[in-house]
Parts: sequence; C-alpha cells; structure tokens
Amino acid sequence: KQEVTQIPAALSVPEGENLVLNCSFTDSAIYNLQWFRQDPGKGLTSLLLIQSSQREQTSGRLNASLDKSSGRSTLYIAASQPGDSATYLCAVFEGAQKLVFGQGTRLTINP
Amino acid sequence: GAVVSQHPSWVICKSGTSVKIECRSLDFQATTMFWYRQFPKQSLMLMATSNEGSKATYEQGVEKDKFLINHASLTLSTLTVTSAHPEDSSFYICSASAGGTDTQYFGPGTRLTVL
Repeated sequence: KQEVTQIPAALSVPEGENLVLNCSFTDSAIYNLQWFRQDPGKGLTSLLLIQSSQREQTSGRLNASLDKSSGRSTLYIAASQPGDSATYLCAVFEGAQKLVFGQGTRLTINP
Repeated sequence: GAVVSQHPSWVICKSGTSVKIECRSLDFQATTMFWYRQFPKQSLMLMATSNEGSKATYEQGVEKDKFLINHASLTLSTLTVTSAHPEDSSFYICSASAGGTDTQYFGPGTRLTVL
C-alpha cells in the first residue's frame, strides 16, 4: 500500500527566504506526482505535475523535483512571499488516476 | 482553466438526516469524478471513483450504502450521506477529469457538520 509522508508538518519562515518542502513515498512504481496548494477551508489548486519520466518541473518561483528510485520529491519555493502561506500537499498517482496524498506541510511566511 | 463547483459550500444537519452534495464541471465534460474526505489537519482520502453512467467504485472501508454516489451526466455527480452521524462531519472535496490520464480539477469543498 502506497504511503506518502511530508516533512516538516509545519514551517514558518521570514519573507524573502528560499525554502524546500519534502515528500517521500514508499512505492517507487508511480505514474506521476503532483504538488497542490490548499488555502484554509478551500479546495486544492494544482501547482506542478511531474510525470514519472521527468525529474523536475518549474513554474515561476516554484521548482519540483522527482527521484523515483529513492522515493522522494521536493518543492522549492524561491523568494517566499506572505501570499505563499498555505498548506502544500504532495500526491502520487497510484495507477493512472488514483491520487494518494500526504498530510501536507503548513507553511507560514512572516512579513 | 477548467472549473469545478460544489454545492453547498457548507451544511449543518441533525443526526439521522441525509445530506446531498453536488459536484459540477462547469466548462468541460467530466467522464470521471472523484470524491474525497478530509478530516481536520489530515490529508485527503479518496472515498470513491465514479464514471458517468456507471456504478461508483468505492475504496476499502467506505460504506457504499451510507455514501451514495450518482454520476448521471457528464457534468454532475452527487454524494448523498445517508443517516448522517457526528462522525461523518468532515470536509468533502470532489474532483473531475475528462478521462484517462487527464488532469483532475478540484472543487472548493463542502464542509459538513452533523449535530
């Protein structure tokens, strides 16, 4: 059974800092991996989707990497801003459609 | 981008009553819809997957007779929580996909509180 773990559970950093969120999964036989953002009481916003054949994806200040062999992914956020404060969820595709989520990292960017 | 809506956004009901939650894809045809549950400070757990016109496939441990899912059209799926109890209080989120390996688009969620 696939298990996804995110470390740390919570992170608080000053505005402007670069930071890394970590995600690990137990079964390396994944289709794809996806990072989401969730604001309090809201649904999910997709940030980056990394296909299993890729090693990284970039969108603006965000960069996500994938190392299937070690069962790890990282989300790098450059020059953090208060608006980046949210919970960040990592999810792996177990099969073509089923998403297995981690418990998330609650990020707070302090002005 | 693709938009998925949910209605209602929040609902409070008495124990023993049934509650229906709607999930709509507004600008695309959703061949497949997914229903997730999220307890406070926990992650999303997939409850069931439904394909238009077919019976839903439920995840292990999810009671199909309690959580009724109907996906009668390519733009609408409903989740009915029957005989709700306080332990069913949770945040329910749906997602929709045009099918195959296409991206899932998530709705804003429905907060259910059972008194």
